[in-house]
Amino acid sequence: GEDVEQSLFLSVREGDSSVINCTYTDSSSTYLYWYKQEPGAGLQLLTYIFSNMDMKQDQRLTVLLNKKDKHLSLRIADTQTGDSAIYFCAENKLSFGAGTTVTVRA
Amino acid sequence: NAGVTQTPKFQVLKTGQSMTLQCAQDMNHNSMYWYRQDPGMGLRLIYYSASEGTTDKGEVPNGYNVSRLNKREFSLRLESAAPSQTSVYFCASSAGDSGANVLTFGAGSRLTVL
Repeated sequence: GEDVEQSLFLSVREGDSSVINCTYTDSSSTYLYWYKQEPGAGLQLLTYIFSNMDMKQDQRLTVLLNKKDKHLSLRIADTQTGDSAIYFCAENKLSFGAGTTVTVRA
Repeated sequence: NAGVTQTPKFQVLKTGQSMTLQCAQDMNHNSMYWYRQDPGMGLRLIYYSASEGTTDKGEVPNGYNVSRLNKREFSLRLESAAPSQTSVYFCASSAGDSGANVLTFGAGSRLTVL
């Protein structure tokens, strides 16, 4: 929905870091989420962050939250071919961004 | 662990035909949702049911009806299909209690309206 905006495409070399950005409008969102969709499948939760946190790290994933600018980012370290997918940002009102298609090239 | 099951996976309809998409979850979740996914537009919420016995409109409810049959099942009906309803439909569920509202999605139903 228009409440959440993401860039549509990202191409990254295998082994590099990927950074996917998202902006949202609902300042009252208590949680913000990242979901991953592989081809032909439904979305699966990757991670989420509580709004009183600035950063959350989970293995290769790092989420950064800037509440002042309503900006959320997902960093994937050491990107692998299995990370090729569509990544969706979502906020608490169940609004999803359009999704960022990440393509990992050898 | 079936999670969220949607049927059918694929369907082709002619304009004006009706059909129902079925969804069932086995996680004892309170809340259930129907989304549609279109290229470049992400997921848009059609209807949701916060708890058994309640349903509410989402962002794009026109042309659809829903039924929360019981706690497990939430169906989506197209009474008179239109080509604009060609899309991939996802059902999802969540515990619906306080805290992070994590959605579990089905595999999707691809609908084509000719």
